[in-house]
This record gives sequence, structure tokens and C-alpha cells, in this order.
Amino acid sequence: NAGVTQTPKFRVLKTGQSMTLLCAQDMNHEYMYWYRQDPGMGLRLIHYSVGEGTTAKGEVPDGYNVSRLKKQNFLLGLESAAPSQTSVYFCASSPHSPGQRDTQYFGPGTRLTVL
Amino acid sequence: DAKTTQPNSMESNEEEPVHLPCNHSTISGTDYIHWYRQLPSQGPEYVIHGLTSNVNNRMASLAIAEDRKSSTLILHRATLRDAAVYYCILASGGSNYKLTFGKGTLLTVNP
Repeated sequence: NAGVTQTPKFRVLKTGQSMTLLCAQDMNHEYMYWYRQDPGMGLRLIHYSVGEGTTAKGEVPDGYNVSRLKKQNFLLGLESAAPSQTSVYFCASSPHSPGQRDTQYFGPGTRLTVL
Repeated sequence: DAKTTQPNSMESNEEEPVHLPCNHSTISGTDYIHWYRQLPSQGPEYVIHGLTSNVNNRMASLAIAEDRKSSTLILHRATLRDAAVYYCILASGGSNYKLTFGKGTLLTVNP
């Protein structure tokens, strides 16, 4: 199993450009999450999904959109990138079962720089 | 969200046990105690979790105080590969899907 994979690993954007980050998991997990991590800080939840076709806002959703058209994929979009969105983005997934839902498996991250 | 308190940093020697403390005095009855770690330039990695009883797995042990207001992550023999930031997180498993990552404890392992 590959676990959770993220594409791309690195990206540099100019202010105002758009892009989509792809997260894929092969563990048949119901739940998927997008976090961002700024230097010296813990992770903050952007959006999450509790199943195919559903999404919800997390702690810092502004400036981002997400889609979960297939159970194994969770896409994070930036419509008009801003320098404040320079960060490392982590995707995670977790199973549905009680007591295990918060056992999240993380991808390797995408390092995004917005100039 | 219920809050956890961890030391900013700890140091250990290779092949010695490490006890990483976490205080969570406002824990509720339904909160699970989770531990994650983050190695340099990697995503967080699940380590262990528990509710009331002590737990063991291949990576570590989790000792939970009887009143559940504190817990300790135990690495039985630290290796250089265990150098990471360790996060203690409370998760209720209810309608709040967020894992709140604080600043964690930076563990340094000396050869």
C-alpha cells in the first residue's frame, strides 16, 4: 500500500495564480483532511470530508476550496493565490470505525511558495 | 477544545528510555488521548492512543494517570530516528473532526 500520497511535492506560484493539490489514499478510508503548517507552528485544519461527495470547513477555510468526487481522492484548490498561503500542506485520511476515527494517516506534504 | 500542555523540548541519550509528559487537566470523559510525532521534513505520524487504560504497541507505550489528567508517552529505547516533535492531542471522536496540534515537544536524541 502506498498509503497517502500528495501531488505535487513542491510548487511556486505568483500572486493571483490558481492551482490544485491532489491527495490520494489507498486504504479505503472514509474521512480525509487538508491541513496547513506554517513555520514553527502546529497544523491547522483547512477543510475535511466525511465521505465521497461531502466536504466541510475546518479552522482556516478562507481562500481554499475542496472536492471529493471519488472516495480515494481529495482535492484542494487555490483560486487566487496570496503570499499568506505560503505554507506546507498536508493531507490525511482516517477510518470510520469508532475509536479509530482520529487515527489519521498523513501524506508527505506539499511545499507551496506564493511570490 | 480541551487543551494539552507539553514541555517545549527534551533530550535523551540513544538506547535509553524516554518519558514524554503531557498534562490535560480539562479532559472530558469521551476524549481519547492521541500521540503523533513529526520527523523533520515529514508529515505527522500516528504513534499511539488510549482512553483509560495503558496501551502498548510496537512503537511505544502510553501510560494514562488514573484521573486521566495527565499521560506519558514512553519510548523504551530511544534511537536517533526517534528525534522528532511529539504531539499530545485530545480527540473526542464526536462532531468535532479537528485534531488540534499544539507546538509539541521537540525530542533530541544524543548518540
